[in-house]
Amino acid sequence: KNQVEQSPQSLIILEGKNCTLQCNYTVSPFSNLRWYKQDTGRGPVSLTIMTFSENTKSNGRYTATLDADTKQSSLHITASQLSDSASYICVVSVNNAGNMLTFGGGTRLMVKP
Amino acid sequence: GAVVSQHPSWVICKSGTSVKIECRSLDFQATTMFWYRQFPKQSLMLMATSNEGSKATYEQGVEKDKFLINHASLTLSTLTVTSAHPEDSSFYICSARDPSRVLSYNEQFFGPGTRLTVL
Repeated sequence: KNQVEQSPQSLIILEGKNCTLQCNYTVSPFSNLRWYKQDTGRGPVSLTIMTFSENTKSNGRYTATLDADTKQSSLHITASQLSDSASYICVVSVNNAGNMLTFGGGTRLMVKP
Repeated sequence: GAVVSQHPSWVICKSGTSVKIECRSLDFQATTMFWYRQFPKQSLMLMATSNEGSKATYEQGVEKDKFLINHASLTLSTLTVTSAHPEDSSFYICSARDPSRVLSYNEQFFGPGTRLTVL
């Protein structure tokens, strides 16, 4: 069964601090992995997308890593800002005709001043 | 580019009534759109895949007669929740693929969501 597990479920950090969110998956065959940011009451917005051959990808203060051997990914947020408070969702795409997405449960991040 | 809009952003209705939610791709033509439902503190759950000009494909457990999907044009898909009940209250999100983006790895672009509250 294709699954995506994220940890922690929720996280509170102080403004300016760094944090790392984890994503483990058992999706096969693997196509690509995306990290999305979802603000409360809004749709998800793509942060990064990585294919099998990519290990690291950055988007501003967001850096995603992918270890296809261990089927793990992480999202590192540097110098957090209050606006980083949101849910971060790891989504893995299955490499089939439909290219369907398997969603993780998300990590709810709260950045406090 | 690749902007998806939804209308309305929120709606409150009485139990037993029907509600229509629109999903539009603003700057691209979307042959495939997706409808998701998200309950509080949970992740998105795919309800159905909508293909322009053909019948939608529903996920297991989703009642097709209750959640009517119409994808009549390349830029518009609609979800109608028929005879809505309080348990249908949820956050409904659509997404769309831009087939012109060859290197997008079939990325889905999400709309801002519609909050449905059934009283």
